Amino acid sequence: DTEVTQTPKHLVMGMTNKKSLKCEQHMGHRAMYWYKQKAKKPPELMFVYSYEKLSINESVPSRFSPECPNSSLLNLHLHALQPEDSALYLCASSQSWTANYGYTFGSGTRLTVV
Amino acid sequence: GNSVTQMEGPVTLSEEAFLTINCTYTATGYPSLFWYVQYPGEGLQLLLKATKADDKGSNKGFEATYRKETTSFHLEKGSVQVSDSAVYFCALSDQGRAQGGSEKLVFGKGTKLTVNP
Repeated sequence: DTEVTQTPKHLVMGMTNKKSLKCEQHMGHRAMYWYKQKAKKPPELMFVYSYEKLSINESVPSRFSPECPNSSLLNLHLHALQPEDSALYLCASSQSWTANYGYTFGSGTRLTVV
Repeated sequence: GNSVTQMEGPVTLSEEAFLTINCTYTATGYPSLFWYVQYPGEGLQLLLKATKADDKGSNKGFEATYRKETTSFHLEKGSVQVSDSAVYFCALSDQGRAQGGSEKLVFGKGTKLTVNP
């Protein structure tokens, strides 16, 4: 299995809703990432988990809450989002804490906040 | 900090034309360099990589050589196809960012390629 699987593929939520994005990999990778990508822009790093511990938080608002229940799973909990949070949310994984091997990306969750 | 500059395009070519997308970088240390491709509505796929100077990464007819003297990693393909239409991102590993014991990839702004039949 050489994939990163993200669910759901599409999500529409209201500003008062609570929802979660899920990411799963079975490659034995020990680092996992959440990125946000707006249209026609490069991905922007949000969070890094290394060996199931939060390693980097790029000053992301608290309405985004990451969770890494085990080495294969990564969640992103969403609460009280704003319309400007609408974007493609990408999960990625890599073999370890070093970026030298590159990342494997999932197909993303396209989020629309109404 | 480390950064990547790539031609923003868009780039429009006819099928079988030669492709070059320029990428230059600024980095301390010895980063690894990558090209990622993003097809419409999809995530990013690793296209090729090079981990040290003079390495050539290649995949699916695409090539890029890690040039330390010119701090460049230009993407080339001899004959593009309609199916190559996508956005291409140059990236490097930010070895200077070892916060919390982790590194990150730094991406360029992306270059949209359209290949017409």
